[in-house]
Amino acid sequence: EAEVAQSPRYKITEKSQAVAFWCDPISGHATLYWYRQILGQGPELLVQFQDESVVDDSQLPKDRFSAERLKGVDSTLKIQPAELGDSAMYLCASSLGDIEQFFGPGTRLTVL
Amino acid sequence: GENVEQHPSTLSVQEGDSAVIKCTYSDSASNYFPWYKQELGKGPQLIIDIRSNVGEKKDQRIAVTLNKTVKHFSLHITETQPEDSAVYFCAASGGNEKLTFGTGTRLTIIP
Repeated sequence: EAEVAQSPRYKITEKSQAVAFWCDPISGHATLYWYRQILGQGPELLVQFQDESVVDDSQLPKDRFSAERLKGVDSTLKIQPAELGDSAMYLCASSLGDIEQFFGPGTRLTVL
Repeated sequence: GENVEQHPSTLSVQEGDSAVIKCTYSDSASNYFPWYKQELGKGPQLIIDIRSNVGEKKDQRIAVTLNKTVKHFSLHITETQPEDSAVYFCAASGGNEKLTFGTGTRLTIIP
């Protein structure tokens, strides 16, 4: 069964350091999403891609967060510099474009 | 924007009994309502969804109902089993493929 892949699964970093997360969507899925999930809450959308183009990044803190999907397949989310409040689960999801979204296992980020 | 409220935040039921989780949404233009199950340390898994042209949908032991008039939708799990223990999230989408999630319900099945 096709799945969304994410790496690393866990990341511990010190504040002010840079971190990067990688996502490989289900093959053929043109739409890719990055979510942040704070412990005890539901996922919140950070950025949505359609192929290589950003469709919605209204909730992305652009002073420190960046996301790219250069060839319209896999994607990278970067935080620089990381802050204590960035500790969360970062989830990637993909869809064919018919709304149904499939999530990866996530990257658990801890900022010390 | 869309606002989704979910209740209860925690729910404990005896194995074999039924569990019901309720959500409300604010945007009358929303037309897609998925439910996700999230186990500890894993990403959310889509378990069932319903679109606004359908009032009820069933898949084995799980069912979802939708009442657009009052902007309510609910998840029903019958004959609960220990493996049903997880956090469940409802979500709503207004057709722009953007999902707004509820705050989650931690379901515990008591053997």
